[in-house]
Amino acid sequence: DGGITQSPKYLFRKEGQNVTLSCEQNLNHDAMYWYRQDPGQGLRLIYYSQIVNDFQKGDIAEGYSVSREKKESFPLTVTSAQKNPTAFYLCASSLATGVGETQYFGPGTRLLVL
Amino acid sequence: GQNIDQPTEMTATEGAIVQINCTYQTSGFNGLFWYQQHAGEAPTFLSYNVLDGLEEKGRFSSFLSRSKGYSYLLLKELQMKDSASYLCAVYNFNKFYFGSGTKLNVKP
Repeated sequence: DGGITQSPKYLFRKEGQNVTLSCEQNLNHDAMYWYRQDPGQGLRLIYYSQIVNDFQKGDIAEGYSVSREKKESFPLTVTSAQKNPTAFYLCASSLATGVGETQYFGPGTRLLVL
Repeated sequence: GQNIDQPTEMTATEGAIVQINCTYQTSGFNGLFWYQQHAGEAPTFLSYNVLDGLEEKGRFSSFLSRSKGYSYLLLKELQMKDSASYLCAVYNFNKFYFGSGTKLNVKP
């Protein structure tokens, strides 16, 4: 089955710790995205990538880092510089044709700070 | 900047029709999407408009007016399972800009 997987479903972070959220897709999509969602809020873009080995900052990139070494994978690292990381993190992918292409979302990772 | 506005919350009765509005002011426009998101879950795609007019998909329809920066999602024959948040998103220069979402409560 084609789709997007994210792991883990829940993640706990200690003070000063970096944590990495996994996102994998087998839809053969070129574009991948990371969003953060806070309670009662919409989605805010953290980073996005249109092609392997290239990515751009979104609106709230500070305290986060990404890599795109493979087409299928777009991991997000939440660094210790991110002072308020508790949120629901969503990964998405789409075709990258330049016109609006439907985004497909993974099931999300809920990050909690201990 | 990019500004997308939706009502925060709406309530409707099972079997009724509800219209959820979305207004946007963005520096460019390549399409408008509607997503449904149940609590604690990922958004799922409902509809897409790039040209003016109405797109119909079963019980769901979406309308777009680019000159007015306005869209609405119309849900007919409401069911209890339609209780969810509905997100409006504008696609522009390879990025999606989301509104804060409208929480729809369907009551019996």
